Amino acid sequence: DIVMTQSPDSLAVSLGERATINCKSSQSVLYSSNNKNYLAWYQQKPGQPPKLLIYWASTRESGVPDRFSGSGSGTDFTLTISSLQAEDVAVYYCQQYYRTPPITFGQGTRLEIK
Amino acid sequence: QVQLVQSGAEVKKPGASVKVSCKASGYTFTSYGISWVRQAPGQGLEWMGWISAYNGNTNYAQKLQGRVTMTTDTSTSTAYMELRSLRSDDTAVYYCARWGLTFDYWGQGTLVTVSS
Repeated sequence: DIVMTQSPDSLAVSLGERATINCKSSQSVLYSSNNKNYLAWYQQKPGQPPKLLIYWASTRESGVPDRFSGSGSGTDFTLTISSLQAEDVAVYYCQQYYRTPPITFGQGTRLEIK
Repeated sequence: QVQLVQSGAEVKKPGASVKVSCKASGYTFTSYGISWVRQAPGQGLEWMGWISAYNGNTNYAQKLQGRVTMTTDTSTSTAYMELRSLRSDDTAVYYCARWGLTFDYWGQGTLVTVSS
C-alpha cells in the first residue's frame, strides 16, 4: 500500500499570510505514460464532508478559489493557500489514486488562525 | 446538480449489522462508481471500498473483507453499504462519494454508533 504522510499535523497562520501543507508518498504517484501525478487534496470543515480542492496534484476543481494551489511531483507535494482567509480553517487531506486499491489518505493537517 | 443523500443515523449493538443507503441524483448513475469512506470520531479518513455502478464490481479494503458488502440498485440510483459483526471501533461517520478517480461529490454522512 502507498502510505501518505502529511506535515505538519497542525498549523496556525495569520489572516492574509501564506499557509503551506506538505504531503509525501511512500512510492511515486507519477504515471510516466501520461506524466500525471495521481494526487488529490481535500478540505474538510467541522461537521461537513470533505470537499475536493485539487486533483492531478495541481488542477483546481471548478469553483475553488485561486488562492489554493498544488504543486510537486513524484513523491513530494505541497498545498499552498496564498492569503489565508477565515473560511479556510479546516483539516486538509492529501490522497493518492495511483496504485489502488486501496485508496489512501494522509493523516490530515489541521489549519487554524494565529 | 449532483447530490448524494444518505440515510439517517443508526445506533447498533455490538455484533449487529447496519445498512446505509446513498441515493444519487443529477448525473447518470451508471457512469461512475461509488466509494465509501468512514471517519471515526476525531480521526482521519479511511477508505472502505468501492463499487462500480455500471457492472456491480466491487473492491473492499482488506481489513473489512468478509464484513462489508456494497451493492447498488440502478433502478433507483441508490448505493448501499452493509457492515456486519459491528464492534465499538466501527463507530464512525460513514460517507458515500462519487468515484471517478477522485471523490468529487460526497454524501452528508451517516453516523453509526455501536454501543451496548
